[in-house]
Amino acid sequence: RKEVEQDPGPFNVPEGATVAFNCTYSNSASQSFFWYRQDCRKEPKLLMSVYSSGNEDGRFTAQLNRASQYISLLIRDSKLSDSATYLCVVNEGGAGNMLTFGGGTRLMVKP
Amino acid sequence: NAGVMQNPRHLVRRRGQEARLRCSPMKGHSHVYWYRQLPEEGLKFMVYLQKENIIDESGMPKERFSAEFPKEGPSILRIQQVVRGDSAAYFCASSPTISDYETQYFGPGTRLLVL
Repeated sequence: RKEVEQDPGPFNVPEGATVAFNCTYSNSASQSFFWYRQDCRKEPKLLMSVYSSGNEDGRFTAQLNRASQYISLLIRDSKLSDSATYLCVVNEGGAGNMLTFGGGTRLMVKP
Repeated sequence: NAGVMQNPRHLVRRRGQEARLRCSPMKGHSHVYWYRQLPEEGLKFMVYLQKENIIDESGMPKERFSAEFPKEGPSILRIQQVVRGDSAAYFCASSPTISDYETQYFGPGTRLLVL
């Protein structure tokens, strides 16, 4: 069983659409949660941290449900430039402080 | 403030050769992490280092791979006797503290191709 699971997609949506990605994680002791974005052949870049109370950054809204071990990302009013792979990332805490990445969900926004 | 720097950006090696990948963390960051991304797969943690110390190497293959972060100079990921399966993108990240909530900033990666 994968530690962080995501639907690989691709999600093909028209400009202006609203799209939602989901992610589940297996370690209930996980401490912190993030969404990263990765463009083709580039490094991951932090999109936003995810808090239990939910948080919003412009067109992006992230939610965390610790009881269900479920994380979501909502993108409103999709832009062509949103086309990328979205990575669900979990920090399980402990001495290592390592990040555990999901396999990513690919989004393609079409004109 | 320069970001995380990695070099080379692309590296081609023949089977059996050695590969050395370098990472300079962001200024003021003393924690370095290495991750590997195989083709069409997600990133996988390899090793976490602080200056002169390996803190967690639970993701490192048992043989041929080693990492260091000396007191002076960049962190080095060394792969001896490379094989085709080592072909991947190797990303380095750095953070200023060990806080769980501290963001890790990623370098542009080194793409290793083993012929």
